[in-house]
Amino acid sequence: SQELEQSPQSLIVQEGKNLTINCTSSKTLYGLYWYKQKYGEGLIFLMMLQKGGEEKSHEKITAKLDEKKQQSSLHITASQPSHAGIYLCGADMEYGNKLVFGAGTILRVKS
Amino acid sequence: DVKVTQSSRYLVKRTGEKVFLECVQDMDHENMFWYRQDPGLGLRLIYFSYDVKMKEKGDIPEGYSVSREKKERFSLILESASTNQTSMYLCASSLWALAGGPGELFFGEGSRLTVL
Repeated sequence: SQELEQSPQSLIVQEGKNLTINCTSSKTLYGLYWYKQKYGEGLIFLMMLQKGGEEKSHEKITAKLDEKKQQSSLHITASQPSHAGIYLCGADMEYGNKLVFGAGTILRVKS
Repeated sequence: DVKVTQSSRYLVKRTGEKVFLECVQDMDHENMFWYRQDPGLGLRLIYFSYDVKMKEKGDIPEGYSVSREKKERFSLILESASTNQTSMYLCASSLWALAGGPGELFFGEGSRLTVL
């Protein structure tokens, strides 16, 4: 969706390096969801952010929602081959019951 | 464990054929969704349903219809398949969130449809 822009589109990092993926909305975000997808499979939920300034972590992945609630970043520390996949952000922009998704970021981790 | 099951992982159909994609969830979720996923475009919402026999158009409903006769089952129908409907189709479900918003979506494995 052009309402939700992800950057970069793709990323290749050396194992052990840190990386950041950004998700920028053209509208206020009432909820921001991060998902990971292995090629050809369904999406796995990573985490959800709702409040401006909120930050959540799971293992080596940290996500933040900025104060103005229009941008989120996903940061991976000390990347591993298991982190490889497609990362998608999904947003609730209308305080409704559907999500709009970004185009995704393809992450490859070189050993 | 939470499960969303899509009936077919891979389908190959001919232009003009009627195609049914079935999705079943075992979590008693109110909301169910159909998305299609294409390279560079991400996931685009086709239709969603927040209750039995209820349906709402998403962003790209043209050429598709849906059916929700039972809470656990949400079907996507392509009345007359066309080559531009070749895509990965993903079904998802979620609980109705009292606080608003769709809540965490649980996705199926996807159905890759090729229309020749």
